[in-house]
Amino acid sequence: DQQVKQNSPSLSVQEGRISILNCDYTNSMFDYFLWYKKYPAEGPTFLISISSIKDKNEDGRFTVFLNKSAKHLSLHIVPSQPGDSAVYFCAARSSGGSNYKLTFGKGTLLTVNP
Amino acid sequence: DAGVTQSPTHLIKTRGQHVTLRCSPISGHKSVSWYQQVLGQGPQFIFQYYEKEERGRGNFPDRFSARQFPNYSSELNVNALLLGDSALYLCASSLGGRRGQYGYTFGSGTRLTVV
Repeated sequence: DQQVKQNSPSLSVQEGRISILNCDYTNSMFDYFLWYKKYPAEGPTFLISISSIKDKNEDGRFTVFLNKSAKHLSLHIVPSQPGDSAVYFCAARSSGGSNYKLTFGKGTLLTVNP
Repeated sequence: DAGVTQSPTHLIKTRGQHVTLRCSPISGHKSVSWYQQVLGQGPQFIFQYYEKEERGRGNFPDRFSARQFPNYSSELNVNALLLGDSALYLCASSLGGRRGQYGYTFGSGTRLTVV
């Protein structure tokens, strides 16, 4: 049972345009959402996060939107740059007592073409 | 400041063998979590440790075990290796604590290949 879903395995955009990566979740107990970026042969790198009590968080070129009623979040990258090409993982945090584990989606490979 | 360090970076083992993977968290971080990433999938939670105590376990068989040391470093042990254990094993460190800590920092991982 996949609780965090990234339905687009890949996305290709032109440099300078907007990249929109989507993520859906099923567990209402998730209280925090994170986006990670991963290059080959490296571990995931934290990008941006959002608490479940917010609907938007912005950091430079990156904005994350959360629609709790639809159980959907999206990551917007504007403008996209070739260096943004990587696999992007959506992750959700659930707090079960003192255990704070992350549940990840399968990832979306973003390719930004010059 | 050093980030999360994992060793070894690559490892090849034979089916049935045992493996130990190591992780040193960021200085000051007291929580270590282990994740398994199989090709084409997102990382899957294996264990979380905080102050040397197991705080969570994912859906993995008892062949998987871990521990955390007084200096907060951690070991992941896998017994009786199967071909399906071939994966990238990631360690994540965080401050931890009662309210948790949003900032999980991952190491570069250990690539385990079982033949």
